[in-house]
Amino acid sequence: AQSVTQLGSHVSVSEGALVLLRCNYSSSVPPYLFWYVQYPNQGLQLLLKYTSAATLVKGINGFEAEFKKSETSFHLTKPSAHMSDAAEYFCAVQNQAGTALIFGKGTTLSVSS
Amino acid sequence: DTAVSQTPKYLVTQMGNDKSIKCEQNLGHDTMYWYKQDSKKFLKIMFSYNNKELIINETVPNRFSPKSPDKAHLNLHINSLELGDSAVYFCASSAPAVGNEQFFGPGTRLTVL
Repeated sequence: AQSVTQLGSHVSVSEGALVLLRCNYSSSVPPYLFWYVQYPNQGLQLLLKYTSAATLVKGINGFEAEFKKSETSFHLTKPSAHMSDAAEYFCAVQNQAGTALIFGKGTTLSVSS
Repeated sequence: DTAVSQTPKYLVTQMGNDKSIKCEQNLGHDTMYWYKQDSKKFLKIMFSYNNKELIINETVPNRFSPKSPDKAHLNLHINSLELGDSAVYFCASSAPAVGNEQFFGPGTRLTVL
């Protein structure tokens, strides 16, 4: 069965600093992986997804993630944080049947000036 | 144009009542979902529908019943509401192919008093 673990429920960075949000997955089949962002009182918006085409995936708002099979990881990064990046970030893996997303517990990103 | 819409955005009700949440998508997708986000922001799949047919029902009490009048709509009806049902409920939709992203609605915050 698929699962996702997000290390660190809360990450704080200064504006302009590197953002690194960690995600490790468990899957018995090649995974489809996603990062979503949730701003306060809003729905989830897709940042990027990995579907085996390329291991380095670029997404919206300057975010990117690298799929590392050997480490079963799909960490999200952004070179320079903006205040507007403050939000909740969710890593997810699609279940084997392709019928649902299995989410990690989320990481709250705080950005200070 | 709103891709996935939900009504109402907020729902406050008493224990024991019956309520419905409506969801509509204008993306032409065949697959729709309901997710529950609890107070700790953990997201979990409740139901998945493909072309009006239920394809997944994750250990959800039978007080919850999804109804899909057509493939653009997936409503959630909840009978005999309990305090523990308080949560944010998200509707989502996707094309049915494995690896496709899910588009989320803005959520409905249900509070049971």
